[in-house]
Amino acid sequence: LAKTTQPVSMDSYEGQEVNITCSHNNIATNDYITWYQQFPSQGPRFIIQGYKTKVTNEVASLFIPADRKSSTLSLPRVSLSDTAVYYCLVGDTGRRALTFGSGTRLQVQP
Amino acid sequence: EPEVTQTPSHQVTQMGQEVILRCVPISNHLYFYWYRQILGQKVEFLVSFYNNEISEKSEIFDDQFSVERPDGSNFTLKIRSTKLEDSAMYFCASSGARGAYEQYFGPGTRLTVT
Repeated sequence: LAKTTQPVSMDSYEGQEVNITCSHNNIATNDYITWYQQFPSQGPRFIIQGYKTKVTNEVASLFIPADRKSSTLSLPRVSLSDTAVYYCLVGDTGRRALTFGSGTRLQVQP
Repeated sequence: EPEVTQTPSHQVTQMGQEVILRCVPISNHLYFYWYRQILGQKVEFLVSFYNNEISEKSEIFDDQFSVERPDGSNFTLKIRSTKLEDSAMYFCASSGARGAYEQYFGPGTRLTVT
């Protein structure tokens, strides 16, 4: 499993764009990059997944450079309800056991 | 939007008692999982289940734990003799035939062992 490193915490204000970067230097050829969000006392929620370049959905964008050794989750115009822990997971999607790290605790203030 | 449901939301039990946590995965999903999260700690994988058998389990999932899909909709986690250290949030998740990393989690059952 590729080891991931992401900031322990980040602070932002409502309306700002938030970028959370995850390092995964030993990512393997078959690995995908997946981000989850978790609110207190709730289960993790899938946000986005990508392999290379850029992926965008209604919630976020995921930027992956050509070397794939890092990725950036971008949340446009955050609101208070985006306050949560964000997890970067890297692995072969054929392996079904998700391994969560400590994540990045995002605090959005008014 | 379909969702994973879990019951009960909170279970309090005494040490040594058996507990069964219940989950209803998303109806057309084929893979089912249990995770747990001890308060303030990481989400930990316990077990995955496919085609009526365990496909993968972690070191946490010892002989005290078992899973079952008793009918076409429910998926259960049984802890035979609970210990204090089993106190945690237990999350059920399910995923479709593709996109194993796209798992849908339930709201969790908070298990408190006294």
